[in-house]
Amino acid sequence: DQQVKQNSPSLSVQEGRISILNCDYTNSMFDYFLWYKKYPAEGPTFLISISSIKDKNEDGRFTVFLNKSAKHLSLHIVPSQPGDSAVYFCAASAQRDDKIIFGKGTRLHILP
Amino acid sequence: ETGVTQSPTHLIKTRGQQVTLRCSSQSGHNTVSWYQQALGQGPQFIFQYYREEENGRGNFPPRFSGLQFPNYSSELNVNALELDDSALYLCASSGTDGYTFGSGTRLTVV
Repeated sequence: DQQVKQNSPSLSVQEGRISILNCDYTNSMFDYFLWYKKYPAEGPTFLISISSIKDKNEDGRFTVFLNKSAKHLSLHIVPSQPGDSAVYFCAASAQRDDKIIFGKGTRLHILP
Repeated sequence: ETGVTQSPTHLIKTRGQQVTLRCSSQSGHNTVSWYQQALGQGPQFIFQYYREEENGRGNFPPRFSGLQFPNYSSELNVNALELDDSALYLCASSGTDGYTFGSGTRLTVV
């Protein structure tokens, strides 16, 4: 039973445009959400997070939006750059230091 | 010492054998979590250790076991290896500043 779902296995976006990665979750106990980026042969690296008390968190080119009523979050990257090509994992936990549950990931390709 | 280090980076084992994977925690972190990432999947939670005690376990059989040492480093042991155990095994240490992942150990069972 997937508690965190990323329904798009891959996404291609033109360089300079906005990339939008989507994520849905089923467990209403989740109150902390994270996005990780993973390059081949490396571990996941933390990108951005959001607590359930907020609906938006921004860090430079990256913005995460949370819609609790829809149990949906999204990651916006603007403008997209070639170095953004990677696998992006949506993840959630019941508390900030609790175990993290990951989605299956979305592979983002930034096209020149 | 910063960062999480995992060893070995790659490993090939035969079905039925046993394997031990190692992980060093980031300085200041007292919690270690282990994840299994099969091809095309997201990391799946195996278990977590906090101050040398198991602190939560995912849906993995008992042949997956672990240890955490006083310096907060950790081991993941898998007995009676099966072909489906072939995966990338990720270790993450965590503290008040969040999680830090290692680069993983790629285990291939043949």
